[in-house]
Amino acid sequence: DADVTQTPRNRITKTGKRIMLECSQTKGHDRMYWYRQDPGLGLRLIYYSFDVKDINKGEISDGYSVSRQAQAKFSLSLESAIPNQTALYFCATSYRDSSTDTQYFGPGTRLTVL
Amino acid sequence: QKEVEQDPGPLSVPEGAIVSLNCTYSNSAFQYFMWYRQYSRKGPELLMYTYSSGNKEDGRFTAQVDKSSKYISLFIRDSQPSDSATYLCAMTSYNTDKLIFGTGTRLQVFP
Repeated sequence: DADVTQTPRNRITKTGKRIMLECSQTKGHDRMYWYRQDPGLGLRLIYYSFDVKDINKGEISDGYSVSRQAQAKFSLSLESAIPNQTALYFCATSYRDSSTDTQYFGPGTRLTVL
Repeated sequence: QKEVEQDPGPLSVPEGAIVSLNCTYSNSAFQYFMWYRQYSRKGPELLMYTYSSGNKEDGRFTAQVDKSSKYISLFIRDSQPSDSATYLCAMTSYNTDKLIFGTGTRLQVFP
């Protein structure tokens, strides 16, 4: 079973629609992240959360919001989708040990906004 | 200028070749360096990580960090078609909460 799951895996929507992408993890990690990946731009951080009551903006948070419903669940919302939000979205989790903040990624959600 | 620079490729090599993938960075505070491998239509998966300068070897893979030059490398020996993927470098420092990723290098190993 996958440790980090994302739903849906693919979504096509129209401009102006509200969209929610969901992420669940069974790794027991306290930290969760949302990234988007675009060709030539790599992975860019949208939001991250270090525990249920801690939410932080990343590099490109405009147009997005998040909710940390539980330690294992972190959802990303696009309140009013626009075409330039078409991208591959990844959720990731991590734990802060003594050496590194290694992140573990979900399989991704491919979002197309028409 | 980006904090982390990585040549996007694509890099195409024959099976059995030695592959060298590289990243440069500008932030001298970075101490932790990682390489992720991403297959098509999959999420990135951690391949190797190193702390500070030096080499780390794991099977056919060797990660190398040269902090004085702000340069990291991943070497793949005896490359296989199954190594065909995009390789992303990532790095962070102890006093920050975020990983900074390179844009990724696409590698194709042909039989």
